Amino acid sequence: DAKTTQPNSMESNEEEPVHLPCNHSTISGTDYIHWYRQLPSQGPEYVIHGLTSNVNNRMASLAIAEDRKSSTLILHRATLRDAAVYYCILRDGDDKIIFGKGTRLHILP
Amino acid sequence: DAGVTQSPTHLIKTRGQQVTLRCSPKSGHDTVSWYQQALGQGPQFIFQYYEEEERQRGNFPDRFSGHQFPNYSSELNVNALLLGDSALYLCASSLESFTDTQYFGPGTRLTVL
Repeated sequence: DAKTTQPNSMESNEEEPVHLPCNHSTISGTDYIHWYRQLPSQGPEYVIHGLTSNVNNRMASLAIAEDRKSSTLILHRATLRDAAVYYCILRDGDDKIIFGKGTRLHILP
Repeated sequence: DAGVTQSPTHLIKTRGQQVTLRCSPKSGHDTVSWYQQALGQGPQFIFQYYEEEERQRGNFPDRFSGHQFPNYSSELNVNALLLGDSALYLCASSLESFTDTQYFGPGTRLTVL
């Protein structure tokens, strides 16, 4: 499975945008980029996914580099409830999800 | 619409014992996956069930086994418990399509003493 690299932790101020980076230099043409997050004491929660084009939904935006070797999850206006571990994952058609250690996002009030 | 539910919430066992964890998938979902999450780590894939068959398996020993029932609910069984089996066990459900998202339950916290 292709691997992803994320910073261990990040901090952001409340009500400001947050850009969470992910590197995936060995991504294959059929890999989808998925983001999940895990709030404290909860199971992981789907955030967004994409293949080549940038994607938006009610939770976040996903910006994918033209060469697909990196992507950025964008939370447009962080709240305290967005404090979580964010996982960037590549999925090639297998249903299983291979999680890394993710990025722990701290939101400062 | 109830999401994924798991029982029990917490469980304490001693080494050598056996444990059964249960999962009910989100309504309409037919595929169930199980994950083990050690403290401070990301979840690790154990196996996946579809149409009552184990379809994929991660790098876990045969002590870990499962079952899926006709109503799509699932059980995870762990035999001969070790201290290292202490973890949060997560169940996720989905439709049989790789583009679909997986919906996770809150997990069962297993402590092995």
